Amino acid sequence: AQSVTQLGSHVSVSEGALVLLRCNYSSSVPPYLFWYVQYPNQGLQLLLKYTSAATLVKGINGFEAEFKKSETSFHLTKPSAHMSDAAEYFCAVSDSDTDKLIFGTGTRLQVFP
Amino acid sequence: EAQVTQNPRYLITVTGKKLTVTCSQNMNHEYMSWYRQDPGLGLRQIYYSMNVEVTDKGDVPEGYKVSRKEKRNFPLILESPSPNQTSLYFCASSMTGFRTGELFFGEGSRLTVL
Repeated sequence: AQSVTQLGSHVSVSEGALVLLRCNYSSSVPPYLFWYVQYPNQGLQLLLKYTSAATLVKGINGFEAEFKKSETSFHLTKPSAHMSDAAEYFCAVSDSDTDKLIFGTGTRLQVFP
Repeated sequence: EAQVTQNPRYLITVTGKKLTVTCSQNMNHEYMSWYRQDPGLGLRQIYYSMNVEVTDKGDVPEGYKVSRKEKRNFPLILESPSPNQTSLYFCASSMTGFRTGELFFGEGSRLTVL
């Protein structure tokens, strides 16, 4: 079965700095991969999705993620953090055996002025 | 506006007092699911439904029930709540299925069981 690991439960950056949130998945078979964002007191919303069409995936709000099969990684980046990016971010992977979406434990991003 | 609506958003109850959290979506989605979110554990699936009258257990179904009598509604029932069910609950729906990952989430229901 698939699993996903997010390294770092908390990440803090200064406004304008690079954002890097790490995600590794367990399988060598490229699945669907996703990043979701949860703003305070809100539900999750889809940030971006990898479906094997391109290894670099662009999402909303200037975020992008690169799929690296050799590293089984799907890290999320943004060149310049904004205060409004403060949220919790979840990496998720699809499991073709169970037809389910498996979520990571989340990374809370703090942005300091 | 396309949305998933959950009620109540906040609830404090006592052990053993039955409660229902409602979920309704207006997007004509076939797939619906309930998740609970706990610190350090991420989101875990409780129950899901792939169509009307079709429901199945997720990863943590103990202590919960669901029903899917209509396409738009998917209530979560706690027959006898216990303190370990204190959590943040999310309902989600999808047109294309859970594996494709394009889920639409409600705003969450924070439940405290004393």
